[in-house]
Amino acid sequence: EAQVTQNPRYLITVTGKKLTVTCSQNMNHEYMSWYRQDPGLGLRQIYYSMNVEVTDKGDVPEGYKVSRKEKRNFPLILESPSPNQTSLYFCASSFGTSGTGEQFFGPGTRLTVL
Amino acid sequence: RKEVEQDPGPFNVPEGATVAFNCTYSNSASQSFFWYRQDCRKEPKLLMSVYSSGNEDGRFTAQLNRASQYISLLIRDSKLSDSATYLCVVNRDDKIIFGKGTRLHILP
Repeated sequence: EAQVTQNPRYLITVTGKKLTVTCSQNMNHEYMSWYRQDPGLGLRQIYYSMNVEVTDKGDVPEGYKVSRKEKRNFPLILESPSPNQTSLYFCASSFGTSGTGEQFFGPGTRLTVL
Repeated sequence: RKEVEQDPGPFNVPEGATVAFNCTYSNSASQSFFWYRQDCRKEPKLLMSVYSSGNEDGRFTAQLNRASQYISLLIRDSKLSDSATYLCVVNRDDKIIFGKGTRLHILP
């Protein structure tokens, strides 16, 4: 089954404790990205990757890191999480390198930073 | 001003009615346009892509007006299952920009 998977689905952590949210897709998509969704602000792109070893900042990259060592995986790293990073996070992938195609989303990761 | 703007609603519409949403975008370099549907904090799913020539998929019709920089979505004969948040999405310079969404409630 073609899908985007994210882990964990739910996470409660404390300020400053490094964490990684994994994202994997099995559709051989070039483009992958991370979003956060907050009430009243909608979905905002954090980082995106057009292909292996190619990443770039979205609208809200501060406090986040990403890497794209393999085509299928695009982990999101919070080196020192803070309460303002409490949010619902979505990973997505699409065919092609420019993000012009249909975005396939993972089920979301609900993160709470205390 | 946000790059992609939508009326947040909610739109409360009786079943069977026709409802229309608009979305405006501010950057003329925007390349691709989409409507996504999101149910109750679940992942967004593509409803339809939007083209200048207009496109229709069953009860749904989408239209792009590049001159005025807006896209529209028309839902005919609305069903209870159409209740959701509709997200306007624009691709520009390899980035994806979402509107905040329009909430639609279909009333029995």
